Amino acid sequence: DTGVSQDPRHKITKRGQNVTFRCDPISEHNRLYWYRQTLGQGPEFLTYFQNEAQLEKSRLLSDRFSAERPKGSFSTLEIQRTEQGDSAMYLCASSSPGLQYFGPGTRLTVL
Amino acid sequence: KQEVTQIPAALSVPEGENLVLNCSFTDSAIYNLQWFRQDPGKGLTSLLLIQSSQREQTSGRLNASLDKSSGRSTLYIAASQPGDSATYLCAAPEGSARQLTFGSGTQLTVLP
Repeated sequence: DTGVSQDPRHKITKRGQNVTFRCDPISEHNRLYWYRQTLGQGPEFLTYFQNEAQLEKSRLLSDRFSAERPKGSFSTLEIQRTEQGDSAMYLCASSSPGLQYFGPGTRLTVL
Repeated sequence: KQEVTQIPAALSVPEGENLVLNCSFTDSAIYNLQWFRQDPGKGLTSLLLIQSSQREQTSGRLNASLDKSSGRSTLYIAASQPGDSATYLCAAPEGSARQLTFGSGTQLTVLP
């Protein structure tokens, strides 16, 4: 059990570009969550998967955001046409259910 | 919808002091409440999970309490150390997905 991993750890992009983040959950966990955290705030829920099904989406998840979890394993979060307001830490968590275990996060900076 | 509040936003104490961090929530019908630690630029480390049927949970120098009727939880840190310096977040699950609703955290600095 190596914990939840996320890649990349840091991403710098220019406004208007597309970016994709990856999350590898703990292997036996069927639940996967994405959160977004801005400076000085707690994380905010974005979306939830149970196995490969995306069952919950926050109103924060605009049309420019899309998430997938093919085969119920790893998950990707894509942001299209990035805006400066997308700059944040993107956190992934998994559970079996029960306690949510968090990854180290991907820090996105949009210039 | 659950709302979680943490006061104060920042706290600075000398090493060795005992301290209490506060967390309040609006919906008393919570399943559990979790306390996390976050170091600068890092992910979240779970510290303690209190189930709704419990009143307290202890791990080492940390003790968390839960009072559902008043909508409050506290995290007690005994004999604080400089290594305890971090941001402490509390969170409660809500919805069918049990997604966590977080407070904005208390940034703790323990001075040597």
